[in-house]
Amino acid sequence: GAVVSQHPSRVICKSGTSVKIECRSLDFQATTMFWYRQFPKQSLMLMATSNEGSKATYEQGVEKDKFLINHASLTLSTLTVTSAHPEDSSFYICSARRTGSQIWEETQYFGPGTRLLVL
Amino acid sequence: GQNIDQPTEMTATEGAIVQINCTYQTSGFNGLFWYQQHAGEAPTFLSYNVLDGLEEKGRFSSFLSRSKGYSYLLLKELQMKDSASYLCAVSKGNTPLVFGKGTRLSVIA
Repeated sequence: GAVVSQHPSRVICKSGTSVKIECRSLDFQATTMFWYRQFPKQSLMLMATSNEGSKATYEQGVEKDKFLINHASLTLSTLTVTSAHPEDSSFYICSARRTGSQIWEETQYFGPGTRLLVL
Repeated sequence: GQNIDQPTEMTATEGAIVQINCTYQTSGFNGLFWYQQHAGEAPTFLSYNVLDGLEEKGRFSSFLSRSKGYSYLLLKELQMKDSASYLCAVSKGNTPLVFGKGTRLSVIA
């Protein structure tokens, strides 16, 4: 199998605080992980690509100083939402791609998501 | 540029068959994925087509025509639990998948 976990599943915080979300690949190594955000009834929006041992690549319009990504090992990437505001409230989903995949095997496996509510 | 099109919404009856189409125009193409996403949950992997043709997996089948830039997901013997969004996504190699906006399927009795 290819299981990806996320923690926490749900978080409520006050405006101005920082929130860290962890994404782990449980039974495989992932050189590359991806962070998405999804607002209700809207499509997935890619925020950044997280590469183990190097800096993340952010999509246009995503503030790298606000959404800090650290991919410290082949099984863990973290997203920290700094100085969160109510407009950051969303569903954050990570996905991971297996390291060493055959060129034709590029499946991204998704974590269960983290629902963030900023008051 | 890249463009992935799929219908926004579809409705079908329990027990019936439904076909969800996806057309794509992308710079680079390795294969095409289908994911299912229930409301409030993360996407789950359904299928991956690299070669032309139909791949069957139980009640779900997926078809690809590379020359036409076209794929479809076929769901047979529809059940109420199949009500979900279905996302088509293009793989271009060592880059993130490019997702369509998703098709929201409602299965009615």
